Amino acid sequence: AQRVTQPEKLLSVFKGAPVELKCNYSYSGSPELFWYVQYSRQRLQLLLRHISRESIKGFTADLNKGETSFHLKKPFAQEEDSAMYYCALFMKTSYDKVIFGPGTSLSVIP
Amino acid sequence: DTGVSQDPRHKITKRGQNVTFRCDPISEHNRLYWYRQTLGQGPEFLTYFQNEAQLEKSRLLSDRFSAERPKGSFSTLEIQRTEQGDSAMYLCASSSYLSGRLNTEAFFGQGTRLTVV
Repeated sequence: AQRVTQPEKLLSVFKGAPVELKCNYSYSGSPELFWYVQYSRQRLQLLLRHISRESIKGFTADLNKGETSFHLKKPFAQEEDSAMYYCALFMKTSYDKVIFGPGTSLSVIP
Repeated sequence: DTGVSQDPRHKITKRGQNVTFRCDPISEHNRLYWYRQTLGQGPEFLTYFQNEAQLEKSRLLSDRFSAERPKGSFSTLEIQRTEQGDSAMYLCASSSYLSGRLNTEAFFGQGTRLTVV
């Protein structure tokens, strides 16, 4: 079955420290993966997608098909990075749709 | 605000009552999704539309749930005979989709928080 897992519910790091939010997926097709972020009292919004190979707000994520992972990384965490982060998988089936992982709450300690 | 809007933002209802939520997507978007999110969980897919056609319904969506998008613009999600387990945040999202192209970003609304007492 297709699924997205994020093993850490909560992650706390100090400001300036590196951060890595883990995401693993299970999907037999060709995956298209995203990271969404939800800041306090704001709506869910796209952070980045693997297709674009971009760096947004200092975050990057590399798709590793061998390990079926799409971990989100940032070398130096900032206080404004504190938020909920959701990994999402776009499945190209007969009826394509996006499914989300359970989310990781990142707290950056000043 | 030209983003996705949902109404109402909050709804408190007694068990057994019917409720209806509305979602207005970004105007040029042909895809519209409904998700449900409970505390500590990511959004769970419920159903989605391409224009006015409902393409898929999750098994999570019991017979008490129905969604429509009659003119391919706004959508409604109705829950009949609400139960306490229906208490959740109901999220709507829209995107622009063209066959053969990469999936585009889904834009989310603020959500409707339902509390069944």
